[in-house]
Amino acid sequence: GQSLEQPSEVTAVEGAIVQINCTYQTSGFYGLSWYQQHDGGAPTFLSYNALDGLEETGRFSSFLSRSDSYGYLLLQELQMKDSASYFCAVLMDSNYQLIWGAGTKLIIKP
Amino acid sequence: DTGVSQDPRHKITKRGQNVTFRCDPISEHNRLYWYRQTLGQGPEFLTYFQNEAQLEKSRLLSDRFSAERPKGSFSTLEIQRTEQGDSAMYLCASSLAHSFAYEQYFGPGTRLTVT
Repeated sequence: GQSLEQPSEVTAVEGAIVQINCTYQTSGFYGLSWYQQHDGGAPTFLSYNALDGLEETGRFSSFLSRSDSYGYLLLQELQMKDSASYFCAVLMDSNYQLIWGAGTKLIIKP
Repeated sequence: DTGVSQDPRHKITKRGQNVTFRCDPISEHNRLYWYRQTLGQGPEFLTYFQNEAQLEKSRLLSDRFSAERPKGSFSTLEIQRTEQGDSAMYLCASSLAHSFAYEQYFGPGTRLTVT
């Protein structure tokens, strides 16, 4: 089967940098996606890594290493509005379906 | 385009009743997904459609759940004989095509409470 592991909660300070890790066990996948979900809101797409390496989108960057079965989301210059849950999800190559992690709640302190 | 919409936003029902939810995806998206999410968990896949064809249904989904997407536009999810364990947020999402399935656009969800 497939599984993804993320820390349940991460705390950081406003203005700082935080890294949210995602390790996975899966038989075959196209890439790794990251989504943000605010309390009471719907998940919104942040980034996707099809290849190993770093993808940068403004203050957010995402990284994938297939050899290490590992990825991370890096958030820079943290703002209070970044307080949310962050989910990693792998896109399965058998059916183009996303399999999701349980999410990491990011708490930002002033 | 106003994005993915879902109706109703909230539904309270008594155990044993049937409920139906509607999802209107982004118009040019041909893939539509249904997920269930409970507190502190990621979205759990229920089923998905490619146009009007239902291509896959989660093995975890009991026969009480059924979904349709007539004409490849809006979709409905019906739960028959609801149980308290069905209480959750039901999310609908759409994507442009299978090759873009990594980027899904979600609706606001329907929160179901079974009493």
